[in-house]
Amino acid sequence: QQQVKQSPQSLIVQKGGISIINCAYENTAFDYFPWYQQFPGKGPALLIAIRPDVSEKKEGRFTISFNKSAKQFSLHIMDSQPGDSATYFCAASMNTGFQKLVFGTGTRLLVSP
Amino acid sequence: DVKVTQSSRYLVKRTGEKVFLECVQDMDHENMFWYRQDPGLGLRLIYFSYDVKMKEKGDIPEGYSVSREKKERFSLILESASTNQTSMYLCASSQSGVGYGYTFGSGTRLTVV
Repeated sequence: QQQVKQSPQSLIVQKGGISIINCAYENTAFDYFPWYQQFPGKGPALLIAIRPDVSEKKEGRFTISFNKSAKQFSLHIMDSQPGDSATYFCAASMNTGFQKLVFGTGTRLLVSP
Repeated sequence: DVKVTQSSRYLVKRTGEKVFLECVQDMDHENMFWYRQDPGLGLRLIYFSYDVKMKEKGDIPEGYSVSREKKERFSLILESASTNQTSMYLCASSQSGVGYGYTFGSGTRLTVV
């Protein structure tokens, strides 16, 4: 119930293509869904986040799509660039007053030039 | 910019040693967290703290303890290091409330030999 399942484990995309990473959850009490980006040798950094009252959020080339009925959310990276090569983690937390994030297992993205 | 600073980037310790990992944040955040990151397993929560001297077990607390004597500092202690504790350790902090992301440190790569 507390898990967030992330796929794929790794992804190779051509420069200029669209990268898509998917996450699924079971706990309907989750109501905050962030994505984190991690470069080698660095800690994860918050990339973009969504609440379940909207179905999509876009920030530049990064878009979160959220499907509440299917309990799924995904990250789309448009016009993928080699600089986007990193590990991406989805996460979720409940509105309990204390925010404790549950993380997916991560997706290693490689954008080939 | 919020900064979370972990005292060491790389550590090599011997089996059975007591190991201290230190983390300091400079943004007066209430919440602090310790995660370990292993390939294929994502980020797993070891311990977290929502106030000075308060601590809660995460998903994998066995073999670890923590200390939070001051708001800005959260220490992870390996009571008797073992080889299966070789990992990347990440500290994070956040404000209380929903919708606040975590700020992570750059991590400490611990090798136990």
